[in-house]
Amino acid sequence: GENVEQHPSTLSVQEGDSAVIKCTYSDSASNYFPWYKQELGKRPQLIIDIRSNVGEKKDQRIAVTLNKTAKHFSLHITETQPEDSAVYFCAARGNGNKLVFGAGTILRVKS
Amino acid sequence: DAGVIQSPRHEVTEMGQEVTLRCKPISGHNSLFWYRQTMMRGLELLIYFNNNVPIDDSGMPEDRFSAKMPNASFSTLKIQPSEPRDSAVYFCASRVGGSNEKLFFGSGTQLSVL
Repeated sequence: GENVEQHPSTLSVQEGDSAVIKCTYSDSASNYFPWYKQELGKRPQLIIDIRSNVGEKKDQRIAVTLNKTAKHFSLHITETQPEDSAVYFCAARGNGNKLVFGAGTILRVKS
Repeated sequence: DAGVIQSPRHEVTEMGQEVTLRCKPISGHNSLFWYRQTMMRGLELLIYFNNNVPIDDSGMPEDRFSAKMPNASFSTLKIQPSEPRDSAVYFCASRVGGSNEKLFFGSGTQLSVL
């Protein structure tokens, strides 16, 4: 089955700097890659997703890139703000429609 | 729409007791998922349903766990008997259907087994 690895486990950046979180997946058949943000005590919420027929997608300060050959995808947050502090999860969906999550990255934006 | 609704929000019980978690998916969504979240293991998929039918329960940890979806608007996850290692946040999530639709999570049930 699908296996998703996520790095780093924790990330601390200064406000205004960029943050990058990377994930790798194992199932070459996976074709959908969402990213979720989870604030303390809250539910995971989808912030951006990418499908395997595109290489990059942007939404304001957030972008995701996908490299299907290397089986990895990344989340980029530019001009980070304190409210970006949260746990971020990547995920991949392969055969069987199961969404498998990475272990999460704790992002702390220092002001 | 109120989103995915879970109850209770918090559950504290003693080891050996039966626990039932409840979920109401978003109206019109035909796929429902139960996840468990712990610090050690992250978000684990326990089971998911399509059109009320269990499709994959390979993530259910053991026979003490069972899940049902008697109709399109209601699902339960039951643990009997409960053990301290079952303590976690249990999330229910739903989506419209098709392989690439967005997954919406409920607020979760914080379960503590003493």
